[in-house]
Amino acid sequence: DAGITQSPRHKVTETGTPVTLRCHQTENHRYMYWYRQDPGHGLRLIHYSYGVKDTDKGEVSDGYSVSRSKTEDFLLTLESATSSQTSVYFCAISGTGDPYEQYFGPGTRLTVT
Amino acid sequence: AQRVTQPEKLLSVFKGAPVELKCNYSYSGSPELFWYVQYSRQRLQLLLRHISRESIKGFTADLNKGETSFHLKKPFAQEEDSAMYYCALSIQGAQKLVFGQGTRLTINP
Repeated sequence: DAGITQSPRHKVTETGTPVTLRCHQTENHRYMYWYRQDPGHGLRLIHYSYGVKDTDKGEVSDGYSVSRSKTEDFLLTLESATSSQTSVYFCAISGTGDPYEQYFGPGTRLTVT
Repeated sequence: AQRVTQPEKLLSVFKGAPVELKCNYSYSGSPELFWYVQYSRQRLQLLLRHISRESIKGFTADLNKGETSFHLKKPFAQEEDSAMYYCALSIQGAQKLVFGQGTRLTINP
């Protein structure tokens, strides 16, 4: 496995609380991505980053924000969690040499009650 | 707009039978397509890409631009092929992928 870790791996939180998920890589890859995985919807891109402090929205960015202050860390924040954000969240990375092959983290299962 | 469609959420075949997982795409640019796989308790990983024209674990996929399809095929399914399969389309110049809804393949003994 590529050097990608996600924390926490599991989280249960209440509606309205803020939540931050962390993705950490040791590969020094330029690109980092956050996806959510839901039955019937597959993988949908939330936000991605193409460098430190450079981020852009994906197709389901509402209710989420991201930050990347270091190459190795990409944070996903749910400012005020809602039940519709219950999902499995995956981080992925890719390098400049092959930006289209993405390496995925183990996932974070988030439950919003 | 770019879109990837996998019409089958679930697919079940018997061991030794041929398997085909369907993928159709919509994209105005020059497509580059991939198949990713997620085995039980493992990370999502790249299975193959069309540009390589290779066979991985007995699977092949041919890009058909006329039918805008990239179906994944294997002539003789094995139990270890049971997994979730995602078709993905690259977006030129944006360094990102668009994934389909996924197909869960189950190989019965």
